[in-house]
Amino acid sequence: NAGVTQTPKFQVLKTGQSMTLQCAQDMNHEYMSWYRQDPGMGLRLIHYSVGAGITDQGEVPNGYNVSRSTTEDFPLRLLSAAPSQTSVYFCASSSMRGAGETQYFGPGTRLLVL
Amino acid sequence: GESVGLHLPTLSVQEGDNSIINCAYSNSASDYFIWYKQESGKGPQFIIDIRSNMDKRQGQRVTVLLNKTVKHLSLQIAATQPGDSAVYFCAENLMDSSYKLIFGSGTRLLVRP
Repeated sequence: NAGVTQTPKFQVLKTGQSMTLQCAQDMNHEYMSWYRQDPGMGLRLIHYSVGAGITDQGEVPNGYNVSRSTTEDFPLRLLSAAPSQTSVYFCASSSMRGAGETQYFGPGTRLLVL
Repeated sequence: GESVGLHLPTLSVQEGDNSIINCAYSNSASDYFIWYKQESGKGPQFIIDIRSNMDKRQGQRVTVLLNKTVKHLSLQIAATQPGDSAVYFCAENLMDSSYKLIFGSGTRLLVRP
């Protein structure tokens, strides 16, 4: 299994540009989520999904859209990038077998918005 | 809002000594807690977890203690090694069906040779 994969690893955007951060997992996990991590801080939940076709907002959803058309993929879209979205983005997935299942994280995407 | 936090932003220990990293949480409804290790440039890596019906859980060189009375969580690393140098996060799982995790701000562990 490849686990959780993310692309790209690095990205530089200009203010106002749009882009999609890709996330895929091959563990047949139902639950997937996106976090952002700012320097010296913990991870904050942006959006999450409990299964294909179902998404919901986390702590900091503004400026981001998600969709979940398949179990494997959970892309994160920035419609109009802002400097405040400069951060490291982590995707995670977990099984829905029971409450408190651990999450597996991808390697992250480093995003710089100029 | 309710959150998970850490007492010490940086902890420096001598190689071979034991390390203790602390975490305070404020949501009494949380029923599951996880410690993660994050090395530079990598995603968080699961270390150990504990459910709210337990006070202590041991893994390989690591022990997690949960004190629900004072809402305190700690991670003990025995015989700390240079490879243990990283940032450690605690996270709490809210007691609902979404499995959302709320992370603390992290503690950096530095191991002196």
